[in-house]
Parts: sequence; structure tokens; C-alpha cells
Amino acid sequence: DTGVSQDPRHKITKRGQNVTFRCDPISEHNRLYWYRQTLGQGPEFLTYFQNEAQLEKSRLLSDRFSAERPKGSFSTLEIQRTEQGDSAMYLCASSSGMTGGSSTDTQYFGPGTRLTVL
Amino acid sequence: EDQVTQSPEALRLQEGESSSLNCSYTVSGLRGLFWYRQDPGKGPEFLFTLYSAGEEKEKERLKATLTKKESFLHITAPKPEDSATYLCAVQDYKLSFGAGTTVTVRA
Repeated sequence: DTGVSQDPRHKITKRGQNVTFRCDPISEHNRLYWYRQTLGQGPEFLTYFQNEAQLEKSRLLSDRFSAERPKGSFSTLEIQRTEQGDSAMYLCASSSGMTGGSSTDTQYFGPGTRLTVL
Repeated sequence: EDQVTQSPEALRLQEGESSSLNCSYTVSGLRGLFWYRQDPGKGPEFLFTLYSAGEEKEKERLKATLTKKESFLHITAPKPEDSATYLCAVQDYKLSFGAGTTVTVRA
């Protein structure tokens, strides 16, 4: 399977604990994105990487959130001191980064990690 | 800031009953309008990209169209397996999504 993979698929934690999620993008995709989705809403952008460089962070990404993409391959998203409001589906997507003309920069999503903070 | 509004929020159809979903958008410069399908508990699945007004794309029972201010997703003779949430998004470098339309097709 050459799609985007995420681990774990589900995470239940207690308020105040730290959690870390992993995303493995489609191989050779330069761009990697993190989104958060709550029930009844569309995904909201959190941050994105071009290779190993983190180029943009949403204001939704508080200081408790940190993302890395060492070596430009997989990425991790860590949430420190989790709060109940962090409960959501965390989605990872990747794209080739090719744009211009009729080329697309289609983002392909993984299955998501469902976080529940008790 | 890019804005995307989808309507209706929910749509219940009888099998074979064709209908359309609407996506209205406001962007500073459209680089692409995307349609995704999302099943419960799963990530969005890419369907279409549209770039310019007048463009149309089809896939099985789905057809997407684009004007300068909105896009439509037409579902022709839907089947129960078409039941899902359909998400519309506009692209800068990131995607800005609408809240989606949840379609339920009854046999």
C-alpha cells in the first residue's frame, strides 16, 4: 500500500498527558500537511512542511503543539498537556508539490488519528 | 481569508433520485477547487480538481462543475454506496474546507 499512513488510529488519553502521532506520506511527496477535524466540520489546516522545513503554522497551533519532519520523510505531531478541547480527528496529507499550468498539487489524506481526551 | 460554504448540510435521497450539492467560495485567487468524499471515521478521499469557470469533470455517477463563485456536485441516479460526506475545498498552498454535505441514499 503506497498511500498515506498514520499511527495510531485511535488514542485515548487523560487530560494533562502528552501524546505523539506519526504520519508516513506517499513516498517522494515533498509536501506534508497536518489538519484537525471536529465532528460536523471540515478539516482545518494546522501546519505544513516542504521537505524538512516547516513553512507555515496556523494560529490554531498553540504552543502546546509541535510538529517535526526530520529528514523530510515521516512527520510527528506532539500535543503537550492535552486538554479536552484537543479531542478531534488529526489528519495528515501529502502532495508532490508540483503546481503551475494544468498540473495539480493534489493532497492525499491518510486515515487519521482519532484523539479522545478524558 | 478564503471562505467556503456548502449546502445543504444534509441530503437524504431515494436510490435513483438525482440531486446536486452546492459549494460557494470566496478566494483572493483560485488555484484549484477540490471535491473529496469522506466516509465515517476515515480520511477524505480525493474526487476532483477544477481550475477554471466552465470546467466539468465526471466520475461514475458524480459530475462536478465550476463557475466563478460556486461549484456543484451532481449525483446522478445515486446508489446506497454513494452515501458519504462530500467536502469542497479551495487551495492556496493549504486547503480551506467547507463543513461538508452528508448524503444518505436509501435503497
